[in-house]
Amino acid sequence: QKEVEQNSGPLSVPEGAIASLNCTYSDRGSQSFFWYRQYSGKSPELIMFIYSNGDKEDGRFTAQLNKASQYVSLLIRDSQPSDSATYLCAVIANAGNMLTFGGGTRLMVKP
Amino acid sequence: ETGVTQSPTHLIKTRGQQVTLRCSSQSGHNTVSWYQQALGQGPQFIFQYYREEENGRGNFPPRFSGLQFPNYSSELNVNALELDDSALYLCASSLGGTGANVLTFGAGSRLTVL
Repeated sequence: QKEVEQNSGPLSVPEGAIASLNCTYSDRGSQSFFWYRQYSGKSPELIMFIYSNGDKEDGRFTAQLNKASQYVSLLIRDSQPSDSATYLCAVIANAGNMLTFGGGTRLMVKP
Repeated sequence: ETGVTQSPTHLIKTRGQQVTLRCSSQSGHNTVSWYQQALGQGPQFIFQYYREEENGRGNFPPRFSGLQFPNYSSELNVNALELDDSALYLCASSLGGTGANVLTFGAGSRLTVL
């Protein structure tokens, strides 16, 4: 079992729709959760992070964390073609310093 | 404020050769982490340096080694290159020696091993 799992996609949504990206993790002691966006041929850039159960909103993005279910998600409202990229979920285990990434989900937003 | 810079951006080596990749951390950051990202996969943690000492290592063989200098810049060295070492090598800097801090990535060095 991979430590951080994501559906590789592609996830295709129409422009203006809500894109929902999901991630599960295996280490129950994980404390910090991150979402990065990576355009083709570029390096990852941080979208947002979340530490506590519940929702965290930043503009069009909402991260949701459920530690009991070991599940973290990212919602993108009013999706734009410029949101088309690979979204990487990353986790830091308890007392660790290593960011463990999932394989990423490729999102395609169609005009 | 300068970001994370990496060099070279692209390079081609042959099996058995050695390579050195360089990274300058973002201003004010004292921690550097290195990741390997194979095509179509997520980044894999190689190691982290904090105050010139290795501060954690992923599942990579000893032929992957590194250094951090007093100015917090860093090098990744890979000996006896193998075809599977072909990947994008990402350097990320952060403040503090714990992983709870946010990483800022450089543009990466794309290594091709023939």
